[in-house]
Amino acid sequence: DTGVSQDPRHKITKRGQNVTFRCDPISEHNRLYWYRQTLGQGPEFLTYFQNEAQLEKSRLLSDRFSAERPKGSFSTLEIQRTEQGDSAMYLCASSLEGGQPQHFGDGTRLSIL
Amino acid sequence: AQTVTQSQPEMSVQEAETVTLSCTYDTSESDYYLFWYKQPPSRQMILVIRQEAYKQQNATENRFSVNFQKAAKSFSLKISDSQLGDAAMYFCVTQGGSEKLVFGKGTKLTVNP
Repeated sequence: DTGVSQDPRHKITKRGQNVTFRCDPISEHNRLYWYRQTLGQGPEFLTYFQNEAQLEKSRLLSDRFSAERPKGSFSTLEIQRTEQGDSAMYLCASSLEGGQPQHFGDGTRLSIL
Repeated sequence: AQTVTQSQPEMSVQEAETVTLSCTYDTSESDYYLFWYKQPPSRQMILVIRQEAYKQQNATENRFSVNFQKAAKSFSLKISDSQLGDAAMYFCVTQGGSEKLVFGKGTKLTVNP
């Protein structure tokens, strides 16, 4: 069990640029989740996948956000035309099945200049 | 919609003493789970303890135990024999009707030597 891996750990970019984050879940987990955590707050749900199917999206996931999990393994989260308000920690989690505990990665901290 | 309220933004405890973190929640689901997660500074979110709402018996994990009062929608965490490594942000979390986790705002726990 190597845990949930996220890359990069930190990303600094200028407003208006596109960014992409990657998440590798625990290998046997078929559920994968994305959350966003701003300073001083608890994480907020963005979206989740069961295998390659994206089953739920939060209204927080605006048109500028897209997530994929093409082969049911790793996932990417892309933010287009970044804005100041996108600055946050983006957390990925995975679980074996629904109702089982979610295991989190270290997160990707995004800073928008 | 589910909500989680943690009324204690910060708590402190002396090493080896006991501390209780409070949490109330609201849900319309009849079947749900409750969790406590901890997030040490600059480190990943870790599951502390899990409670299934249909189980009346309070969950325990070594020095960590919960007081689950279903009718009152209360879910407090007790940490016994506090250790320096327990210092972290603690989040009360609910999951029900969907696979997304709903987090409270967190309680920052300081452990004094």
